[in-house]
Parts: sequence; C-alpha cells; structure tokens
Amino acid sequence: EAGVTQFPSHSVIEKGQTVTLRCDPISGHDNLYWYRRVMGKEIKFLLHFVKESKQDESGMPNNRFLAERTGGTYSTLKVQPAELEDSGVYFCASSRQGDGYTFGSGTRLTVV
Amino acid sequence: GENVEQHPSTLSVQEGDSAVIKCTYSDSASNYFPWYKQELGKRPQLIIDIRSNVGEKKDQRIAVTLNKTAKHFSLHITETQPEDSAVYFCAASKPGGYNKLIFGAGTRLAVHP
Repeated sequence: EAGVTQFPSHSVIEKGQTVTLRCDPISGHDNLYWYRRVMGKEIKFLLHFVKESKQDESGMPNNRFLAERTGGTYSTLKVQPAELEDSGVYFCASSRQGDGYTFGSGTRLTVV
Repeated sequence: GENVEQHPSTLSVQEGDSAVIKCTYSDSASNYFPWYKQELGKRPQLIIDIRSNVGEKKDQRIAVTLNKTAKHFSLHITETQPEDSAVYFCAASKPGGYNKLIFGAGTRLAVHP
C-alpha cells in the first residue's frame, strides 16, 4: 500500500506570508493526525481528524493555523500569517482505529 | 497536562554495547507505549510497542519494559550496530484518546564502529 505522503517536503517563506501543507493519508485510514517538531524538542500534537471531522484540536497553537480534511481524504494545514516561531517539521500520520501510526516524511517549514 | 519525559537526550555507545533509553509518563491512565526511530531525513517509524497489560516485550535486539507503578518505560537495544544510529522517540496514549500520542523529546543515539 502507498504510505502517507506530504507536500511539500521543504518550504521557506517570509514572515507574514501564507503557507499550505498537504497530507495524503493511507487509503482507508479514518484517523489523520498533525504533529510538529520544533528544533530539538518533542513531537507535539496539533490536531486529529476522524474522517472529515475534527476530533481534537487542542494542540493548535493559535488561530493562525487552520486545518481541513476534505471529504475525509487528504488534509491541509494552512498557516496565515506565518511567524518565525512556526518554523519546524510538520508531520502527518494516519491510522485505522486501534492501530499504530504511519507517519509521513514531514514538511520542513522555515520562516525567515 | 499530560507529558512524557525522556532521558538521555543524547547517547553515544561503541558498536556491540547496549543502549538504554528511559521515559516517564505523567498520566496514570496511559495504556499504550510505542517507540519510534527516526533516521536522518526520514519519517519516524514504529519499532516496538507495549500495552499496559504486559511488563516486557522483546523483538530480536530490542526490548521494552514497563513499570506501571512507577510510570516508567524503557527501550533496550543490545549488540548495537552503526545502523541503529538515529533519534528515538517514546510516546504514550490512553484509552478513549483516539490514539493521540504524547511524545518525549527524543534521544539521539550514536553508535560508533
């Protein structure tokens, strides 16, 4: 089966610009998660979709972050406007209920 | 809130030695403890996991132990090889949390030939 795919792999943007990250989960995986790792720190939970519904968005840092999951398939995470502290690696993961995660390779976001 | 502490942050061993990474979790309701390995530039990959009804689990050179009373769990790698060099993350989740994982900060393991 195809894995979890994330686009782009790298993004460098200026402070104040907008960036949209995309995640394509494994087909049939209802659960989709977004995580972020800031330099040298833990992989921190952002939010969780079950199909197209947001199950838990308690980790979203602030209202500059907007996540969507169209039709319960792929998901996007938009940062608008980006700030310097948003830099990090954004990981997406998907799973079937009760199973372990499969992670994507991540998007490295650098805000300058 | 929930958190997972992981130690050490870096670990350097000689090839053939053992490596141990320790994690402590705060939420006593946690019942699932996976370990992920992330090689440079690659995605985190699940290498072993343990559930709270088991005290120890082994898979070839890697093993995980769990002490529910102390809220500790550890990863043990024996006969380390250079290809074991990576960042290792522990994590914990609890029932009803839809598999939301709380991660430790990671341990960078370097195995020197």
